[in-house]
Amino acid sequence: DTAVSQTPKYLVTQMGNDKSIKCEQNLGHDTMYWYKQDSKKFLKIMFSYNNKELIINETVPNRFSPKSPDKAHLNLHINSLELGDSAVYFCASSRSISGMGTDTQYFGPGTRLTVL
Amino acid sequence: ELKVEQNPLFLSMQEGKNYTIYCNYSTTSDRLYWYRQDPGKSLESLFVLLSNGAVKQEGRLMASLDTKARLSTLHITAAVHDLSATYFCAVETNRGSQGNLIFGKGTKLSVKP
Repeated sequence: DTAVSQTPKYLVTQMGNDKSIKCEQNLGHDTMYWYKQDSKKFLKIMFSYNNKELIINETVPNRFSPKSPDKAHLNLHINSLELGDSAVYFCASSRSISGMGTDTQYFGPGTRLTVL
Repeated sequence: ELKVEQNPLFLSMQEGKNYTIYCNYSTTSDRLYWYRQDPGKSLESLFVLLSNGAVKQEGRLMASLDTKARLSTLHITAAVHDLSATYFCAVETNRGSQGNLIFGKGTKLSVKP
């Protein structure tokens, strides 16, 4: 059973295209995240959603738009792709602890995006 | 703004040796995580440290947290090749922040026979 899954695993596309990455978790968690890992392996949070509500929105170009249809899904749509968007994108999920933040985040397998 | 620094960033060690990876952070936090990432793979949670003086051990890895010094260590005992991976520490910005983790740059560990 896959806890946090992402599709696709690899995505190769041309500059200017629009693409989406899907994420699903079956852990019953109420918080989901998107991270970007660049070529130097540096990980940075992009967004987080708690119960379908946007909680964290770091400095990310507005070409990136997350959408959470329900607690188990958080998709990432990217418009007008640029070369600098090439990276590995990880989805993660966790359960929130009232007044205490969140518990351990569990990561998906990643989506390697290559923009040509 | 919370900053998280790991050192060393690269570590080459021989099997059987001991070593420590350090994680310093710049502002108060009560929650620190260690993750492992194998090449081309996802991140695997190793430890979560919640309070000052916390120590956790799993196999050859032991993690500790000193919140007063804003320092966590990941100690490797009698390294084996299977421990080769990149290790990240991550710090939650503040209580109730809903999981805003700031990651260190990672320590790439290579264990040679």
